[in-house]
Amino acid sequence: KAGVTQTPRYLIKTRGQQVTLSCSPISGHRSVSWYQQTPGQGLQFLFEYFSETQRNKGNFPGRFSGRQFSNSRSEMNVSTLELGDSALYLCASSLSPGLAEYEQYFGPGTRLTVT
Amino acid sequence: DQQVKQNSPSLSVQEGRISILNCDYTNSMFDYFLWYKKYPAEGPTFLISISSIKDKNEDGRFTVFLNKSAKHLSLHIVPSQPGDSAVYFCAASPSNDYKLSFGAGTTVTVRA
Repeated sequence: KAGVTQTPRYLIKTRGQQVTLSCSPISGHRSVSWYQQTPGQGLQFLFEYFSETQRNKGNFPGRFSGRQFSNSRSEMNVSTLELGDSALYLCASSLSPGLAEYEQYFGPGTRLTVT
Repeated sequence: DQQVKQNSPSLSVQEGRISILNCDYTNSMFDYFLWYKKYPAEGPTFLISISSIKDKNEDGRFTVFLNKSAKHLSLHIVPSQPGDSAVYFCAASPSNDYKLSFGAGTTVTVRA
C-alpha cells in the first residue's frame, strides 16, 4: 500500500506570492491533517479535514487555508507569503478521526522556502 | 504557547545503554500521548502511545511512562541501537479531539 505522498517536495517562493501544496492520503484514509514544522517549534497543527469538511483548525492566520476533495486528497494554500512561512509542511492521514483507535501516518513533507 | 515541552534538544548515548527522553505538558485536558520518531527527509513515524488510564506502556525496546500528577511523560529505549539515532517528538491531545500538540523534539545520537 502506498504511503502518504506530498507534492512538491521542495518549493522556493518570493514574499507576497501564494503557494498551494498537495497531499494524497493512504488509500482508504479519509482524515487528513496538516502541520507546520519550524526549527525549535516542533510541529504546529494547522487544520484537519474529514469527508471534505474542516473539523479542526490551529492558531494560524487566515492566510493559511485548505480543502479536501471527494477522493480525500487535500490541498493547503498560503497567500501573501511571509519570510516566517519558511518551514516544512507535513501532511498526515488516518482512517478516521479519533486518536485512540486510529494512527496518523505522515508524508515526507514539502520544504517551502520564502525569499 | 507551547503546551508540550521537550526541554532537552539533544541526547547522546552509548550503544547498548538506556536512552531516556522527557516531555512535560501543561494542558490538563490532554489524556492521550504519543511519541514519534523522525529521520531526515522523512515524515514522523508513530512509535508508541499511552492513554491517561495507564501509567506505563511497553512495546519491545520502547517503554513510555506517564505521571499525570506531574504532567510528565518519558520514553525509555533499552538497549539503544545506532538505528535509533533520530529526532523524537512527544505529542498530546484530548482523546475526543484530533488536534495533536507536539513538542519541539529531541535529537538522539547513539554512539557506537
